[in-house]
Amino acid sequence: RKEVEQDPGPFNVPEGATVAFNCTYSNSASQSFFWYRQDCRKEPKLLMSVYSSGNEDGRFTAQLNRASQYISLLIRDSKLSDSATYLCVALSGGSYIPTFGRGTSLIVHP
Amino acid sequence: NAGVTQTPKFQVLKTGQSMTLQCAQDMNHNSMYWYRQDPGMGLRLIYYSASEGTTDKGEVPNGYNVSRLNKREFSLRLESAAPSQTSVYFCASSESDRQPQHFGDGTRLSIL
Repeated sequence: RKEVEQDPGPFNVPEGATVAFNCTYSNSASQSFFWYRQDCRKEPKLLMSVYSSGNEDGRFTAQLNRASQYISLLIRDSKLSDSATYLCVALSGGSYIPTFGRGTSLIVHP
Repeated sequence: NAGVTQTPKFQVLKTGQSMTLQCAQDMNHNSMYWYRQDPGMGLRLIYYSASEGTTDKGEVPNGYNVSRLNKREFSLRLESAAPSQTSVYFCASSESDRQPQHFGDGTRLSIL
């Protein structure tokens, strides 16, 4: 069982919609969490960090629920350019080996 | 800002040939990583270097070797390429074990 699980999707949504992805992690020692965006055949790019108190960056909101061991990403007012694969990552301090989820595919259509 | 630079961007090899993938970062990061990404498999860690002078195996190290040449550079070598090593290879770096990784734009490697 992979330590970080994501629904592969695809999530197919119209422009302007709000969409949310969850990512569950099994290692309770995980301390740092991030969301990445990966476009087709491109490198993963850091989208945002995930803090215990939750954090927002424009249309994107990330949340961490340590009790249930999941992180979430909310995208409001979806744009066509948001179409991509979204990867979540969990880090355990001292491990140096990040655990990536396999990604959730988002398709935003007109 | 260059960030993480990988060379070459594309390469075609014949089975049994050897080659070295180069990676350099200009962010003064301590840790560096090599991944491969195959369709449906996600990112898989091949080797990593927590700091200059150290290297460790990741999830799929067989058939690969690495060298942390200095703080900036981390190379990946295929001694005898096999078709199963056809993949997209990403190098990444991070400031520490709790900081996010920054990726190079990848090397697309095909082995015939």
